[in-house]
Amino acid sequence: DTGVSQNPRHKITKRGQNVTFRCDPISEHNRLYWYRQTLGQGPEFLTYFQNEAQLEKSRLLSDRFSAERPKGSFSTLEIQRTEQGDSAMYLCASSFVEAFFGQGTRLTVV
Amino acid sequence: ELKVEQNPLFLSMQEGKNYTIYCNYSTTSDRLYWYRQDPGKSLESLFVLLSNGAVKQEGRLMASLDTKARLSTLHITAAVHDLSATYFCAGAYNAGNMLTFGGGTRLMVKP
Repeated sequence: DTGVSQNPRHKITKRGQNVTFRCDPISEHNRLYWYRQTLGQGPEFLTYFQNEAQLEKSRLLSDRFSAERPKGSFSTLEIQRTEQGDSAMYLCASSFVEAFFGQGTRLTVV
Repeated sequence: ELKVEQNPLFLSMQEGKNYTIYCNYSTTSDRLYWYRQDPGKSLESLFVLLSNGAVKQEGRLMASLDTKARLSTLHITAAVHDLSATYFCAGAYNAGNMLTFGGGTRLMVKP
């Protein structure tokens, strides 16, 4: 399968815990994006990488959020000290021209 | 800042009928995308519209773009139940091609 792959698919965590999500983009895509989607809403942009460089961060990305893309390949999104408001679907997309989305990681903070 | 608005937010229609979903955006957008999302699933790319007057068709769906009016439409012809899903339009801005999504149109096609 050469699509965008995200792991885990589901994550339930207790408030205050740290979580990390992984995204493996389509191999030839140099651009990688993270979005967050809450129930009944459209996805909201979080951050963007071109190769290994993080070029854009949304103001939605608080200090508790950090993203990396070492060597311009896979990317990780870490949320520290999770809060209930962090519960959402976290979507990764990669693109050359057109953006293709992964299956998402659904985070539930209890 | 790019803002994208869709209407209607909810659409219930009978099989065989035609309807149009509208997508307005606030400022110049390099590209306009349409995505489909089934419940609990990710987004499936339907169309990418790159220039004024662009029209693309796939099956019962046809998308168009009017950059002067800052309007894109998704037209559904002779709807079938399998088209039931949520449809999002999204505008792309700046060189990074980040997407700003509309609120989505939840389409229910009844037999």
